[in-house]
Amino acid sequence: DAGVIQSPRHEVTEMGQEVTLRCKPISGHNSLFWYRQTMMRGLELLIYFNNNVPIDDSGMPEDRFSAKMPNASFSTLKIQPSEPRDSAVYFCASSLLGREQFFGPGTRLTVL
Amino acid sequence: KQEVTQIPAALSVPEGENLVLNCSFTDSAIYNLQWFRQDPGKGLTSLLLIQSSQREQTSGRLNASLDKSSGRSTLYIAASQPGDSATYLCAVYSGGGADGLTFGKGTHLIIQP
Repeated sequence: DAGVIQSPRHEVTEMGQEVTLRCKPISGHNSLFWYRQTMMRGLELLIYFNNNVPIDDSGMPEDRFSAKMPNASFSTLKIQPSEPRDSAVYFCASSLLGREQFFGPGTRLTVL
Repeated sequence: KQEVTQIPAALSVPEGENLVLNCSFTDSAIYNLQWFRQDPGKGLTSLLLIQSSQREQTSGRLNASLDKSSGRSTLYIAASQPGDSATYLCAVYSGGGADGLTFGKGTHLIIQP
């Protein structure tokens, strides 16, 4: 298996632009997680899905953030409009039935 | 709300030493605990997973222990090597469903050649 796949690996955009991050979980996993990592706050959970259904989005910082999982093999995290304080590394992870979580390589987002 | 603390925040030791990284969590009602390694600018690599019913797990030179009642875990690295230099993250999974992991801030480890 190729593991969790994320794209793009790096994204540089200007304030106010829409940003879409993509994730393909490990085949057969039924849970998908989006995390954000910053120097100040470390790794934080943004949202997670169970069987493609969003379970808890209380970690999403603002209404500018939204996430979807249209099928078991694809998820997106969208920021609209983006702001400089959104600059961070965004990780996607997947697991099976609450077991070990496997992380993707991350997307490094820079908002100018 | 679960909180995870890792001590020390940074550690520098000569090659060949055995060392211990510490992790504590405030709510003992956990499902499992994972130790990760993160290299600079890279993603997270899972090292060891300990279920709440287990006391320890071993993989090569790594040994992780779990004392759920006291809210503590340790990662023991034997015969450290320069290639072990990285940030080590402890994370707990508290939900019976599909909750996310709660992470510590990590221990930045440097092994001096």
